[in-house]
Amino acid sequence: EVQLVESGGGLIQPGGSLRLSCAASGFTFSSFYMTWVRQAPGKGLEWVSHISVSGSSINYADSVKGRFTISRDNAKNSLYLEMNSLRDEDTAIYYCARAPRYSGNYYLDYWGQGSLVTVSS
Amino acid sequence: DIQMTQSPSSLSASVGDRVTITCRASQDINIYLNWYQQRPGRAPKLLIFTSSTLHSGVPSRFIGGGSGTEFTLSISSLQPEDFATYFCHQTYSLPWTFGQGTKVEIK
Repeated sequence: EVQLVESGGGLIQPGGSLRLSCAASGFTFSSFYMTWVRQAPGKGLEWVSHISVSGSSINYADSVKGRFTISRDNAKNSLYLEMNSLRDEDTAIYYCARAPRYSGNYYLDYWGQGSLVTVSS
Repeated sequence: DIQMTQSPSSLSASVGDRVTITCRASQDINIYLNWYQQRPGRAPKLLIFTSSTLHSGVPSRFIGGGSGTEFTLSISSLQPEDFATYFCHQTYSLPWTFGQGTKVEIK
């Protein structure tokens, strides 16, 4: 059974840093692109970042570029999101998701339960 | 960025009804379009990918279609567990973007 379990969220002051982790199990982690998607309270979904199987290809949303860093450790079946210079508008539930590809199209087939990050003084 | 616009933003329907949600892209995205269902307090779940391919375990009453700039998600006979919010999602170009969501409520 595919499982993704996020951890590391919490309350943090503006300007602070936080590191989210996503532990994967039930599939060959090193064979899949992985993604972070966030959802502000009561709002829609926003793609944050994704990373290729080897980590050699990485992309970010403009809203987090230069502040967030995605990484992965295939030996530990884990995905990470290092978040620096946090702002009020980064407050959201952060989901990790697996991103397979079919006919050139990526899609998010399994999601974690989410980790709440609250940025507030 | 490609803008994804869903309509309606919300709808009320009864169990057994057929409902259709539309998702329009601001430019041609081929068939690089996915649909997700999100129940309150839960993570999104994949329903359909690449416009019309049903994800494993998803009931056949969910039907996706379209290409280019216009896509639809239909539920042929609404069930109690289908009352939720639905999002479309394009991966044709970066940044990947989502529609704003369509909330399906019980009439």
